Amino acid sequence: AQSVTQLGSHVSVSEGALVLLRCNYSSSVPPYLFWYVQYPNQGLQLLLKYTTGATLVKGINGFEAEFKKSETSFHLTKPSAHMSDAAEYFCAVRRGLNDYKLSFGAGTTVTVRA
Amino acid sequence: KAGVTQTPRYLIKTRGQQVTLSCSPISGHRSVSWYQQTPGQGLQFLFEYFSETQRNKGNFPGRFSGRQFSNSRSEMNVSTLELGDSALYLCASSLEGTGPEKLFFGSGTQLSVL
Repeated sequence: AQSVTQLGSHVSVSEGALVLLRCNYSSSVPPYLFWYVQYPNQGLQLLLKYTTGATLVKGINGFEAEFKKSETSFHLTKPSAHMSDAAEYFCAVRRGLNDYKLSFGAGTTVTVRA
Repeated sequence: KAGVTQTPRYLIKTRGQQVTLSCSPISGHRSVSWYQQTPGQGLQFLFEYFSETQRNKGNFPGRFSGRQFSNSRSEMNVSTLELGDSALYLCASSLEGTGPEKLFFGSGTQLSVL
C-alpha cells in the first residue's frame, strides 16, 4: 500500500520569500514521486518528478524537490515566491513501472502576499 | 499539439439521471486515466485504459464505468447519479504503456448533481 501526506492545507508566503511545501510518502516499493500544480478552473500541470537517479529534482517555474529516502519525504521548494505561484499543489506517488494509478495528497493551497 | 480535451466543461444533472463525459487525449497518447476531484475526498483514481482495455480500476461503485475507443478517445459514464457524485472529473493521457510517463491533464468536467 502507499499513501501521501501533505503537511499543511494552506501556506501563505510573502512575495520574494521561500516557498516550502511538505510531502511524506509511504510505499512498500521504491516510489515514483510527482508534484503537480492546479490553477483555478484548470487541470493539473506537472511541476517535476522523481523516478531514479539524482535525488534533487528541478522542475518548471523555479521549483525543485529533494527525494530523501531516509525521511520518506519529497518536499517542494522555491527560493523566491512570485504572485503567479498562487495555486493548489499536489504531491503524488506511483508504485512503479507498470502502475499508472497516481495516489495524491490532499493538496496545499498557496497564497502569496504582496 | 493540442492538449487533452474534455467535454463538456460544465454539466448540471438531477439525481437518478445518468451522464457521459468525454475525453480526447493528446494525439499519439494511448493511455487515458480518469480522476474524481472533490473538496472532501481530494483526487481519487477512477480507472485507466490502454489500447481499449481497462488496466487499472479504483474503488468506485459499479455505477461508474468507462470505455476507450480505437482512436484512444475515452468516455466515462455515471448512472443513477447521487448528490455525492458532484465533482470535477479530470482526464489524463500519457504516451505509452511502459515506464513512469508523466500524465497530461485536461481542464476537467465540472459535474453538479441537484
